[in-house]
Amino acid sequence: DIQLTQSPSTLSASVGDRVTITCRASETFSSWLAWYQHKPGKAPKLLMYKASTLESGVPPRFSGSGSGTEFTLTITSLQADDFATYYCQQYYSFPRTFGQGTKVEIK
Amino acid sequence: QVQLVESGGGVVRPGRSLRLSCAASGFTFRNHAMHWVRQAPGKGLEWVAVLWYDESKEYYANSVKGRFSISRDTSKNTLYLQMNSLRAEDTAVYYCVRDPGRDGLDFDYWGQGTLVTVSS
Repeated sequence: DIQLTQSPSTLSASVGDRVTITCRASETFSSWLAWYQHKPGKAPKLLMYKASTLESGVPPRFSGSGSGTEFTLTITSLQADDFATYYCQQYYSFPRTFGQGTKVEIK
Repeated sequence: QVQLVESGGGVVRPGRSLRLSCAASGFTFRNHAMHWVRQAPGKGLEWVAVLWYDESKEYYANSVKGRFSISRDTSKNTLYLQMNSLRAEDTAVYYCVRDPGRDGLDFDYWGQGTLVTVSS
């Protein structure tokens, strides 16, 4: 199984900050990686797929990069609506796996 | 609009069984693979199972393999998750999720979830 490890687990930031979340994989799988935003009581929202392709309707302050075993999600200017938990997920092989999540909270 | 409505959750004793249902509407159910994803209290998301649109393939997380079974009834536009030999660690909110069938992605529309609590 492909293990995904996100860092940090929690991130305290202010509105306007640049934020970077890292997702490291236990084995290489090209770019078959997605990023989701999850808020309590709501359905997870797809932000990015194929590691760096922005989902339609997602603001361009979100960007993704990486391939192989290391991936990053960057928010260039954090907005109030961005405080949430972020998950990476690989869709290269079964069983599908998620990272453990990174909670972005208000500093 | 796409709607996924889960039902069947509740409190169940360890070792017992439960069947979850997911009623789908607003899209052509028979054209899409469907997943179950769960979230234990205070934990992250965990993929559980997938069933191909034509039921030709199904895959499971190691944690549920041999105990859970995913199925669908196309005539009723309903997805099921039969959960047997339940354990305390199966306690979670279970989400029914549609596979978009594009770009290799797994998830686009999610239900609101149904809570399963395994406790004596």
